[in-house]
Amino acid sequence: DADVTQTPRNRITKTGKRIMLECSQTKGHDRMYWYRQDPGLGLRLIYYSFDVKDINKGEISDGYSVSRQAQAKFSLSLESAIPNQTALYFCATSEGVAGPYEQYFGPGTRLTVT
Amino acid sequence: GQNIDQPTEMTATEGAIVQINCTYQTSGFNGLFWYQQHAGEAPTFLSYNVLDGLEEKGRFSSFLSRSKGYSYLLLKELQMKDSASYLCAVKDSNYQLIWGAGTKLIIKP
Repeated sequence: DADVTQTPRNRITKTGKRIMLECSQTKGHDRMYWYRQDPGLGLRLIYYSFDVKDINKGEISDGYSVSRQAQAKFSLSLESAIPNQTALYFCATSEGVAGPYEQYFGPGTRLTVT
Repeated sequence: GQNIDQPTEMTATEGAIVQINCTYQTSGFNGLFWYQQHAGEAPTFLSYNVLDGLEEKGRFSSFLSRSKGYSYLLLKELQMKDSASYLCAVKDSNYQLIWGAGTKLIIKP
């Protein structure tokens, strides 16, 4: 079984709709991240959480919100989707922050906003 | 601002060696990572450098020069399965990863 899972894997929605992307992990990591990836651009950080009570905005948080329901679950919401939020979204986890702690990525959610 | 530069695309021949360069300008430095990403899939970790020099891991090696803001990933004995994008990422002073746009590597028989 995959250590980091994301649902849904693909989603097409319409402008103005609310949508939630979910992430679950079995790695036991406290640190979780949401990124978006667009063609020709690097991964950009939307939100991150270092534990259940700690939520932080990333580089591009406008238009997004998150919820850390438990150590293992971190959800990303688009309150009112717009076409330029069409992207590939990744959830990631890490064991630590300082040092050689790699990030482990989920399989991604491909979101299309029409 | 913070910036990571990598070539957009490179082509190499099966069995050959290829070097993918990465230059960076970031607010602080707490390590440099290389990830591999096959099309439509998640990035997976390849290497980590925090001190100057070469780190070797099988067919893959990664080099870092902090004074030059420069790293490269060296892939030897290229195989068709190495066709992928290679992402360079730097951990800044806030321990956030700043990502390059990635280098798409095309392997030809």
